[in-house]
Amino acid sequence: EAGVAQSPRYKIIEKRQSVAFWCNPISGHATLYWYQQILGQGPKLLIQFQNNGVVDDSQLPKDRFSAERLKGVDSTLKIQPAKLEDSAVYLCASSLQGAKGTQYFGPGTRLLVL
Amino acid sequence: AQTVTQSQPEMSVQEAETVTLSCTYDTSESDYYLFWYKQPPSRQMILVIRQEAYKQQNATENRFSVNFQKAAKSFSLKISDSQLGDAAMYFCAYRSYNTGNQFYFGTGTSLTVIP
Repeated sequence: EAGVAQSPRYKIIEKRQSVAFWCNPISGHATLYWYQQILGQGPKLLIQFQNNGVVDDSQLPKDRFSAERLKGVDSTLKIQPAKLEDSAVYLCASSLQGAKGTQYFGPGTRLLVL
Repeated sequence: AQTVTQSQPEMSVQEAETVTLSCTYDTSESDYYLFWYKQPPSRQMILVIRQEAYKQQNATENRFSVNFQKAAKSFSLKISDSQLGDAAMYFCAYRSYNTGNQFYFGTGTSLTVIP
């Protein structure tokens, strides 16, 4: 079974530029999560999708971050414009619908904003 | 919202010895799931072990086992016969049984294995 795929793996941009990350969850997983993980900290949930609907985006900085999951499969997370404090690893994870679904993580995208 | 606390930012263990990582959580729910995830340096986060709150028996996966104390809201991870490959950040996570499949993570414990 293929795991969660993410691209790119690394990205370096200058502040005020835009960047987009892509995630392809495990086939059949209805729930998709985007996390931000700053160095030395635990993952912080940015947004959670159930199929193509948003379940929780309370911690998403909506003035600069946006995410979509068209057709309930792949998802993109965008930052526009980026700030220095956005430097982090952006993790995508997916799980089966329902309470028993364990969360599986992708390899992450490491973003450095200069 | 639920909170998950890992009070040990760093731990170290001698190779082949046993180490226990602690985790406590705060919830008013009776049904939930608890997880330990491992994140090696610059590598993918992977599931180590999972516990359903309604099960009294502690989960075990090879050298990894948990001590789940529901009344105390404690969920510690024991690693036996520690190996160099166990060196990683370990995150404790809570998931509600009822509300929206949301996960809550602790701040992590960095485990060093000394040869």
